[in-house]
Amino acid sequence: KAGVTQTPRYLIKTRGQQVTLSCSPISGHRSVSWYQQTPGQGLQFLFEYFSETQRNKGNFPGRFSGRQFSNSRSEMNVSTLELGDSALYLCASSTTYKGDYTFGSGTRLTVV
Amino acid sequence: DQQVKQNSPSLSVQEGRISILNCDYTNSMFDYFLWYKKYPAEGPTFLISISSIKDKNEDGRFTVFLNKSAKHLSLHIVPSQPGDSAVYFCAARGNAGGTSYGKLTFGQGTILTVHP
Repeated sequence: KAGVTQTPRYLIKTRGQQVTLSCSPISGHRSVSWYQQTPGQGLQFLFEYFSETQRNKGNFPGRFSGRQFSNSRSEMNVSTLELGDSALYLCASSTTYKGDYTFGSGTRLTVV
Repeated sequence: DQQVKQNSPSLSVQEGRISILNCDYTNSMFDYFLWYKKYPAEGPTFLISISSIKDKNEDGRFTVFLNKSAKHLSLHIVPSQPGDSAVYFCAARGNAGGTSYGKLTFGQGTILTVHP
């Protein structure tokens, strides 16, 4: 059974650029969530999608956005990158609302 | 406003002994709690969870205890093995109708080292 796939694994971008990260959930999982992990703030919730609808959103600026496609694949976009956006971005999928999410390996974003 | 706290940044135990990881929370609207394990360069792996209507849940070597009145949960690993060495995160989800429903609030993590 394939796990949650995130692409790319590593990314280096320049301040001011934008970036799009991709997540393919486990087959049959309709809920996809995104989290940001940094050394200072730990794991923080970005947003959650279910059936192409954003159901919940964390406390991040509007530069962070996402979407989910009809096949449950999800993308998140960060515009006007700042140095502080450097982090590990994790995607997780689930079949239930309990929160037993299966996480991908993440995308390591470095903003220089 | 850190609603989920893991006050011990690290824990070191001997192989075969018990590991106890602790977690405190402040939001009384949390109704479901989870523990995740994370290795470097990998995503968190789900370990065990507990609903707020229970006070204990076991799965093999892992047991989670929930004390609602104290807003405290703990993860017991018995016996500990060197392969358990990783970062452990506790997480909480809010109940239906609340603003925390559907999202996980994580603690800062505890680095567990199990020595052979």
